[in-house]
Amino acid sequence: EPEVTQTPSHQVTQMGQEVILRCVPISNHLYFYWYRQILGQKVEFLVSFYNNEISEKSEIFDDQFSVERPDGSNFTLKIRSTKLEDSAMYFCASRGASGRHKNIQYFGAGTRLSVL
Amino acid sequence: AQTVTQSQPEMSVQEAETVTLSCTYDTSESDYYLFWYKQPPSRQMILVIRQEAYKQQNATENRFSVNFQKAAKSFSLKISDSQLGDAAMYFCAYRSATSGTYKYIFGTGTRLKVLA
Repeated sequence: EPEVTQTPSHQVTQMGQEVILRCVPISNHLYFYWYRQILGQKVEFLVSFYNNEISEKSEIFDDQFSVERPDGSNFTLKIRSTKLEDSAMYFCASRGASGRHKNIQYFGAGTRLSVL
Repeated sequence: AQTVTQSQPEMSVQEAETVTLSCTYDTSESDYYLFWYKQPPSRQMILVIRQEAYKQQNATENRFSVNFQKAAKSFSLKISDSQLGDAAMYFCAYRSATSGTYKYIFGTGTRLKVLA
């Protein structure tokens, strides 16, 4: 069964450094999402992406964050200058455009980001 | 704004027994989707079951069923004949069907332990 793949599984970085979290969505999906979960808190929506544009973003997704689909397979989340409070599990998800599964998001296993 | 609450941080069940995980939500919308996702350790979130709010009939998927009480805004998950492989974090999620947003709103999750 197709899966959403996220790399790395764990990323450690120093405060102020840039990080790029990578995701390979399911191949025929057109809608892409990033969520994050700070330890002990809820999974929170960050951003949705369709047709090479951000379609929706939360208040968390400020100017320090950006997303990109640099080629036909990858979907990345970049944090320009990491802060301690960016430490969290980051989940990527993708969704198809049609069929009985079009309302279902498929998630990756997440990248744990630790900012020191 | 919509919220999702899972009041049980952790639950335990004996193998072969039945367990119910609770989820309540708050919304002023009449049309929406509700989901239960399962996340085994270090693995991706997998959809367990979903419910469309306009459907009165409770969704079932093999050993998994929901008790959807729209008026009470309750969406509990029942796992029958629990198996060791059911041990995971379970997330309840809400998605509007009317606002044009596809973002999920999650609860904090319930960690299910299955005892042999």
